[in-house]
Amino acid sequence: EADIYQTPRYLVIGTGKKITLECSQTMGHDKMYWYQQDPGMELHLIHYSYGVNSTEKGDLSSESTVSRIRTEHFPLTLESARPSHTSQYLCASSHNDEQFFGPGTRLTVL
Amino acid sequence: QKEVEQDPGPLSVPEGAIVSLNCTYSNSAFQYFMWYRQYSRKGPELLMYTYSSGNKEDGRFTAQVDKSSKYISLFIRDSQPSDSATYLCAMKTGGYNKLIFGAGTRLAVHP
Repeated sequence: EADIYQTPRYLVIGTGKKITLECSQTMGHDKMYWYQQDPGMELHLIHYSYGVNSTEKGDLSSESTVSRIRTEHFPLTLESARPSHTSQYLCASSHNDEQFFGPGTRLTVL
Repeated sequence: QKEVEQDPGPLSVPEGAIVSLNCTYSNSAFQYFMWYRQYSRKGPELLMYTYSSGNKEDGRFTAQVDKSSKYISLFIRDSQPSDSATYLCAMKTGGYNKLIFGAGTRLAVHP
């Protein structure tokens, strides 16, 4: 079944740790996205990719980085987590205008 | 001013009611309009996707776009407790441009 997966679903970590949030899709979509969502707020685009070896920063400034070495995989890395990074991170993919979202990773940095 | 405005609610209705959810926008270049449903602790799922002005119906859901007023609506008929979720509108101008989301309206349908 074609789908989009995110791991871990929940992560509680201490300040200064390096973390990687995983995102994989089995739909063969060329475009992939990372959004940040805080309670009651809009989804904010932080990174996107239109294909392998293509990554761009989104509208919301983020200290995270991404890579796109394989079509199906779009991991997000924080080199040194801080409490201000506490949020929900949503990964999405699309072939045209319709974006399909993963279940999200809820990150808490203590 | 935000590009997309959406009343956050919460909106509480009895089962069987007709629900109207709305968004207004300021960018007249928006061409593609979507409604997503997001259950608690889950990712958004696409409900409706419309390109032009007018109505689009899918089961109990109707999406309406009025480009002249820069206003879109989602109607839910015969609402069910399982419809309780946050509904997000989203729109884009086209091509490789990005989706702009509203903040979402929280809906609670009580039995």
